[in-house]
Amino acid sequence: DAKTTQPPSMDCAEGRAANLPCNHSTISGNEYVYWYRQIHSQGPQYIIHGLKNNETNEMASLIITEDRKSSTLILPHATLRDTAVYYCIVRVASGAGSYQLTFGKGTKLSVIP
Amino acid sequence: NAGVMQNPRHLVRRRGQEARLRCSPMKGHSHVYWYRQLPEEGLKFMVYLQKENIIDESGMPKERFSAEFPKEGPSILRIQQVVRGDSAAYFCASSPQSGDNEQYFGPGTRLTVT
Repeated sequence: DAKTTQPPSMDCAEGRAANLPCNHSTISGNEYVYWYRQIHSQGPQYIIHGLKNNETNEMASLIITEDRKSSTLILPHATLRDTAVYYCIVRVASGAGSYQLTFGKGTKLSVIP
Repeated sequence: NAGVMQNPRHLVRRRGQEARLRCSPMKGHSHVYWYRQLPEEGLKFMVYLQKENIIDESGMPKERFSAEFPKEGPSILRIQQVVRGDSAAYFCASSPQSGDNEQYFGPGTRLTVT
């Protein structure tokens, strides 16, 4: 899987949008971008994933650049419960290794009251 | 609709004992994945199983570790003759299919080896 680069930490004011960047400059055409988060030692929680189009669900939006070399996870109205470590993961869609999620160090997001 | 269940949540073993960690996937899910998270590190893939089959165990240590997912019952991760370095959080995830499917994680089992 392609390597991802994320800032180690970010702060966001409560109620504001949190924009978490991720670089994946070596991503291949058949690799998806996944986002998970882990709230204080709980099991990781799936947030969203996409291939090349922007995606939105009830939790977040995912913006993928046209060249697919980077993406941004957007939490539109951050709350204190969004404080967590956010992981950007690139994962091949099928075949060998498609089932492995490779977690890096992620971004520790702190939502400030 | 219960999520992925793991038990025990906390397990303490002395060096040399055996540890058995259980994982019940979400209803309707037949694919199970085990991950290990050492203190202050990200999760590392260990093994991927379907019912009665080990599909990929490339992340499993070569010795002392084994996993199974029988036709009936939960998936089991077994660690024989535990050592202090096995102390970690062990997470299980499940999915309805492999490939492009999100994995749903359980709450984890925290193993402490004394």
